Amino acid sequence: KQEVTQIPAALSVPEGENLVLNCSFTDSAIYNLQWFRQDPGKGLTSLLLIQSSQREQTSGRLNASLDKSSGRSTLYIAASQPGDSATYLCAVSRETADGLTFGKGTHLIIQP
Amino acid sequence: KAGVTQTPRYLIKTRGQQVTLSCSPISGHRSVSWYQQTPGQGLQFLFEYFSETQRNKGNFPGRFSGRQFSNSRSEMNVSTLELGDSALYLCASSAQGVGEKLFFGSGTQLSVL
Repeated sequence: KQEVTQIPAALSVPEGENLVLNCSFTDSAIYNLQWFRQDPGKGLTSLLLIQSSQREQTSGRLNASLDKSSGRSTLYIAASQPGDSATYLCAVSRETADGLTFGKGTHLIIQP
Repeated sequence: KAGVTQTPRYLIKTRGQQVTLSCSPISGHRSVSWYQQTPGQGLQFLFEYFSETQRNKGNFPGRFSGRQFSNSRSEMNVSTLELGDSALYLCASSAQGVGEKLFFGSGTQLSVL
C-alpha cells in the first residue's frame, strides 16, 4: 500500500527566505506526482505536476523535483512571501488510476 | 471558464440520516473524482467517475455511493450517517482523469451530530 509522508508538518519562516518542503513515498511505481496548496476552508489548487519520467518542473518561484527511484520529491519556494502561507500537499498516482494518495501536508506560515 | 462548483457549502445532519452532495465540473471535463478530508486521516480517495461510469473506487464502505450524469455533473450520497463521516468532501475534475492535473472545488463541509 502506497504511503506518502511530508516533512516538516509545520514550518514558520520570515518573509524573503528560500525554503524546501519534502515529500517521500514508499512505492516507486508511480505515474506522476503533484504538489497542491490548500488555503484554510478551501479546496486544493494544483501547483506543479511531474510525470514519472521527468526530474523537475518549474512555475514562477516554485520548483519541484522528483527522484522516483529513491521515492522522494522536494518543493522549493524562492523568495517566500506572506501570500505563500498555506498548507502544501503532495500526492502520487499509479498507472492503474485508483485515485491520488496524499501526504498529510506541510502547514507553512511566512511571517511579514 | 467557471471552476468546479460544489453545493451545498455546508451541511449539518444527524446520525442515521442520508445526504447528497453535488459537484459540477469544469465545462468539457469528463472525469470527476471525490475525496474525503479529515484532520486525522487527511485526504482519502472515494471514487472516480468518467462518462457516467464508476472507473475507480477507494476503500470506503458501501454507504458511500455516487453517480455521474450525461452532462458530467456528479453526486455522491452517504446513507446512514455516522459521526465519523463528518469531514470536508472535495470533488475534482479533469478532462480524462488518469495522470492529469486535477481542478478541485471548494468542498462541502459535512457535520454529523
